[in-house]
Amino acid sequence: QQQVKQSPQSLIVQKGGISIINCAYENTAFDYFPWYQQFPGKGPALLIAIRPDVSEKKEGRFTISFNKSAKQFSLHIMDSQPGDSATYFCAASIQGGSEKLVFGKGTKLTVNP
Amino acid sequence: DTGVSQNPRHKITKRGQNVTFRCDPISEHNRLYWYRQTLGQGPEFLTYFQNEAQLEKSRLLSDRFSAERPKGSFSTLEIQRTEQGDSAMYLCASRERRGGGDTQYFGPGTRLTVL
Repeated sequence: QQQVKQSPQSLIVQKGGISIINCAYENTAFDYFPWYQQFPGKGPALLIAIRPDVSEKKEGRFTISFNKSAKQFSLHIMDSQPGDSATYFCAASIQGGSEKLVFGKGTKLTVNP
Repeated sequence: DTGVSQNPRHKITKRGQNVTFRCDPISEHNRLYWYRQTLGQGPEFLTYFQNEAQLEKSRLLSDRFSAERPKGSFSTLEIQRTEQGDSAMYLCASRERRGGGDTQYFGPGTRLTVL
């Protein structure tokens, strides 16, 4: 049973375009939703995270939109750059206890120059 | 270097051999996590420590796997009698608490290939 479903599996956008990656979760106990960026041969690095008490969070070109009733959240990358080409993972965890991260399967983003 | 470090970065072994990986977390991070990542998948939780205590183990962690964190500092993950299915990237993360939310910082991983 996959607790966090991520789409699309791969995404190609032109430089300057908007990249949108979507995730859906099943466990309503999840209360922390980070996005990680991973380059080949590297470990995941935190991009931005949101808690369910807000519907949107923006940091620079990166925005998380969160829909609690639909149990969905998405990452928007504005003005996408070739340097953004990487694999992006959404994740979810329950605060308190282990706070282990449950990851989606990832989206490979390619930004063409 | 103030990040999470992992050694070795790559390990090639023959089926049936034992391997051990090391993770050095960010100083003063009291929580340390191990995840496994296979090709085309997101990381999957294996186990975590709070200080030196191992508090949770995933069902993915068979009895061939053992992890330790003596003195609450570095951690080791040992796999005994390796199998080809153990081939994966093993990631370590340590956690800080920031603004009421938790950030897990990941190391570069150890890529294991079992021949």
